[in-house]
Amino acid sequence: KQEVTQIPAALSVPEGENLVLNCSFTDSAIYNLQWFRQDPGKGLTSLLLIQSSQREQTSGRLNASLDKSSGRSTLYIAASQPGDSATYLCAPLPSYQLTFGKGTKLSVIP
Amino acid sequence: KAGVTQTPRYLIKTRGQQVTLSCSPISGHRSVSWYQQTPGQGLQFLFEYFSETQRNKGNFPGRFSGRQFSNSRSEMNVSTLELGDSALYLCASSQGTGGSLDTEAFFGQGTRLTVV
Repeated sequence: KQEVTQIPAALSVPEGENLVLNCSFTDSAIYNLQWFRQDPGKGLTSLLLIQSSQREQTSGRLNASLDKSSGRSTLYIAASQPGDSATYLCAPLPSYQLTFGKGTKLSVIP
Repeated sequence: KAGVTQTPRYLIKTRGQQVTLSCSPISGHRSVSWYQQTPGQGLQFLFEYFSETQRNKGNFPGRFSGRQFSNSRSEMNVSTLELGDSALYLCASSQGTGGSLDTEAFFGQGTRLTVV
């Protein structure tokens, strides 16, 4: 059974800092991995999809890496802004069922 | 292109009642998945439908059921509601046809169910 751990559980940083969110998973037989953000009481917004054959994916200030063999993914956020405050979730995809970690709650202080 | 639409956004029900939630996927998407989100358990997978067939099912009691229609719209039903069923119910759609990029999931805004 796939288990996903996200560290840290919460993070508070001043505006402008670069930061890294970590995700580890126990079963490396994954198809893809997705990173999402969730604002309080809202649905999930897809940030990045990394295919199993890729090592990295970039979108604007976001960069996600994937190391399947070690069961790790990282999300790098450059020049953080208050609007980045949200919970970030990673979800490895073994088939069509996403398995989620508990997320990292990010607060960016102006 | 319209996103994933879930209705209703909010529901208040009494213990013992039943409830039906609806999800309209992105046009062209044939896979619809349902998830339950609670503060204690986080996001948990309920079931996934593709072309009107349930392909995957999570570890939930039989009170939770779903179906998918020929236009890919999906409904989930919860019978004999319990207080513990209070949660945010999220649905996600994807193309679901097996290609590497076809699995990217897009979520709706969710239905907040409160059982009193």
